[in-house]
Amino acid sequence: DGGITQSPKYLFRKEGQNVTLSCEQNLNHDAMYWYRQDPGQGLRLIYYSQIVNDFQKGDIAEGYSVSREKKESFPLTVTSAQKNPTAFYLCASSRMGQGSQETQYFGPGTRLLVL
Amino acid sequence: AQKVTQAQTEISVVEKEDVTLDCVYETRDTTYYLFWYKQPPSGELVFLIRRNSFDEQNEISGRYSWNFQKSTSSFNFTITASQVVDSAVYFCALSERNYGQNFVFGPGTRLSVLP
Repeated sequence: DGGITQSPKYLFRKEGQNVTLSCEQNLNHDAMYWYRQDPGQGLRLIYYSQIVNDFQKGDIAEGYSVSREKKESFPLTVTSAQKNPTAFYLCASSRMGQGSQETQYFGPGTRLLVL
Repeated sequence: AQKVTQAQTEISVVEKEDVTLDCVYETRDTTYYLFWYKQPPSGELVFLIRRNSFDEQNEISGRYSWNFQKSTSSFNFTITASQVVDSAVYFCALSERNYGQNFVFGPGTRLSVLP
């Protein structure tokens, strides 16, 4: 089945530690996105990528980094510079269209907790 | 600038009641796209509908219907004969074709359908 997978489902981070969240898609989509969701709030864009080896900062990129070495994969690293990383992280992908009007499809999410 | 408002933070209804979720948007673009997503307790966002700004026809899909009115910048979502499985957080989102590159999500409306 085509879809988006995220792992792990739950992730625990210690002080000063970098952690990486995985996102893989087999929908042959060009664009991929990372969002952060805090309790009771909407989604905020962290990073997005429209093509391999290229990515752009979203609204809240500070303390995060990404890579896009393969079309299917868009891992997100939460660095120690992110002081409040506890949140639900959602990965999405879409076809490329003019502008960004293509439908985004989401993975199941990763819940990050700080120990 | 893009903005999406979902004024209803939480709604509770009894099963079989009809319920309407409101979405009001702001955009400077003449070509834009509106979306609704459902986020059940599992966390994954499920795509429900995508409409473009040139298509104001109302749409019905089973118990779901959408009312798009450009005159009031609204894209409301109605669930007829609600069921317990409809309990979720519902997000409205906007994507402009010519300005910005990404979706803007509303804060979401939490719907609880009581048996």
